[in-house]
Amino acid sequence: DAKTTQPTSMDCAEGRAANLPCNHSTISGNEYVYWYRQIHSQGPQYIIHGLKNNETNEMASLIITEDRKSSTLILPHATLRDTAVYYCIVRVAGYGGATNKLIFGTGTLLAVQP
Amino acid sequence: NAGVTQTPKFQVLKTGQSMTLQCAQDMNHEYMSWYRQDPGMGLRLIHYSVGAGITDQGEVPNGYNVSRSTTEDFPLRLLSAAPSQTSVYFCASSWGSRGNTEAFFGQGTRLTVV
Repeated sequence: DAKTTQPTSMDCAEGRAANLPCNHSTISGNEYVYWYRQIHSQGPQYIIHGLKNNETNEMASLIITEDRKSSTLILPHATLRDTAVYYCIVRVAGYGGATNKLIFGTGTLLAVQP
Repeated sequence: NAGVTQTPKFQVLKTGQSMTLQCAQDMNHEYMSWYRQDPGMGLRLIHYSVGAGITDQGEVPNGYNVSRSTTEDFPLRLLSAAPSQTSVYFCASSWGSRGNTEAFFGQGTRLTVV
């Protein structure tokens, strides 16, 4: 699986959009980009994933560059409850249990400020 | 639907003792896995299973055993606890044969070995 690079920490004002970048310059054509977050040592929580196209769900939006070498997770209106460590993970697509392995890096600590 | 349940939530062991961390899921997921998280670090994969009767090693398997006799349960055994195994342990499950689906995590077991 390709390696990802994320900033160690970021700040965001409450109510503003939080934009979390991720670099995955060695990503392969069959690898998806996944985002998880971990709030205060709880179990990680799935946020969103995508392959090529931009994706949006009720939690966030995922913007993937055309060359797929980087992506940005957007939380449109950050709240204090969004303070967490955000993990960007690249994972091989396909079927079968071995492809379900998630390899975590150290992530980005997002601190939402009042 | 309880999701992924881990027991116990907290445990203190003496060096050399053995114990089993329990993990159960009620979503009929094929894929289950165990991670450990040390302070300030991301999660590291210990063992995983792609279905009942099938297990494999992850990044840091030494000192741990697993078995998968049912779809629902995936216990993690510490054979002879060492202080280096002090960590927070997370169990996760997901659909194994459906490719790109989200993983669900338990709330963790905080283990201290003295």
